[in-house]
Amino acid sequence: DAKTTQPNSMESNEEEPVHLPCNHSTISGTDYIHWYRQLPSQGPEYVIHGLTSNVNNRMASLAIAEDRKSSTLILHRATLRDAAVYYCILLHTSGNTGKLIFGQGTTLQVKP
Amino acid sequence: DTGVSQNPRHKITKRGQNVTFRCDPISEHNRLYWYRQTLGQGPEFLTYFQNEAQLEKSRLLSDRFSAERPKGSFSTLEIQRTEQGDSAMYLCASSFPTSGVEDTQYFGPGTRLTVL
Repeated sequence: DAKTTQPNSMESNEEEPVHLPCNHSTISGTDYIHWYRQLPSQGPEYVIHGLTSNVNNRMASLAIAEDRKSSTLILHRATLRDAAVYYCILLHTSGNTGKLIFGQGTTLQVKP
Repeated sequence: DTGVSQNPRHKITKRGQNVTFRCDPISEHNRLYWYRQTLGQGPEFLTYFQNEAQLEKSRLLSDRFSAERPKGSFSTLEIQRTEQGDSAMYLCASSFPTSGVEDTQYFGPGTRLTVL
């Protein structure tokens, strides 16, 4: 499975944008980039996913580098509720069992 | 609330006892996953079902662990002869993949197991 690398932790101020980076230099052409987050004492929740083009949804935006070796999850205005561990995960498209391989993720702290 | 429920939410047991956890997925979801999460780590995949068929098991799933999904609805995860190393959060997730890549998983709140 292709591996992802994320910073262990990041800090942000409330109501400011947050850019969470992820490196995936060994990504293959059939790998989708998925982001999940896990709030304290809860199960992970889906945030966003993409293949090549940038993606937006109500929770966040995903910016994917042209060579696909890195991506950035963007929270446009961080709230205290966004404090969580954010996981960047690659999913194969072919023969996909759908199983998620989680790394350590990035722990995001949001300061009021 | 994602619609995936797990029971019990907490379980404390003594070493050597058997425990069983239950997961009720979102009703129309045909895939069901079990993960285990220890403190400070990301969740680790254990096994998954497509309908009632168990299609993949991780090497983490020793022979003391067994999972079932009768009739493709709820699932149970049983741990026999528990060990202190089994203490963890056990997470269940379900999905209904339309094309494989759209396999968004919805996680339950987890069952926290403590083995004394």
